[in-house]
Amino acid sequence: GQQLNQSPQSMFIQEGEDVSMNCTSSSIFNTWLWYKQDPGEGPVLLIALYKAGELTSNGRLTAQFGITRKDSFLNISASIPSDVGIYFCAGRARGGATNKLIFGTGTLLAVQP
Amino acid sequence: GAVVSQHPSWVICKSGTSVKIECRSLDFQATTMFWYRQFPKQSLMLMATSNEGSKATYEQGVEKDKFLINHASLTLSTLTVTSAHPEDSSFYICSAPGTGGEKLFFGSGTQLSVL
Repeated sequence: GQQLNQSPQSMFIQEGEDVSMNCTSSSIFNTWLWYKQDPGEGPVLLIALYKAGELTSNGRLTAQFGITRKDSFLNISASIPSDVGIYFCAGRARGGATNKLIFGTGTLLAVQP
Repeated sequence: GAVVSQHPSWVICKSGTSVKIECRSLDFQATTMFWYRQFPKQSLMLMATSNEGSKATYEQGVEKDKFLINHASLTLSTLTVTSAHPEDSSFYICSAPGTGGEKLFFGSGTQLSVL
């Protein structure tokens, strides 16, 4: 199935550092969602974006819906050990079936205390 | 957010047996649910869309006779892996859209290991 390009593939950082990751698509998206998945668990929704240029925060997390509507960014400030996990972007293309999301390839985040 | 409950969390079975996985929307109704498969270190791949009261819609390459889906009520969808084989071993995750349909909420997943 179709996937989004997500980068970086993995990140190994020190506690307290800021983190940035992004997703890009070849097509225009109407919705961007960011999820975090812990090992052996299902993804948990972090942030949802619905408008181009929209900037939304959830605690130390901030995500943006790119102006071109073909990309999205997630930033984590002052990382802590519990931020460890895999982060997935997901999007719904314009004209796409309702609720049918396309997922990114994931970013594995490791935080060293 | 909406809560999606998935059971069991893990199952180990012998080759040739069938395994049923349940997905429930606990505090909302879901006329549609989605079933995903995830291999280690990979992203989620949509297998099928479960539709309450009608046949499921399968993605290309997914065998409908192998992965039976039943969505008999507005809060329950089941995925049955029939005659499971070791290559069916994987992490299976269900999801359901919340009110408004824009956000997708996931179950906790089922790790299937076929011996």
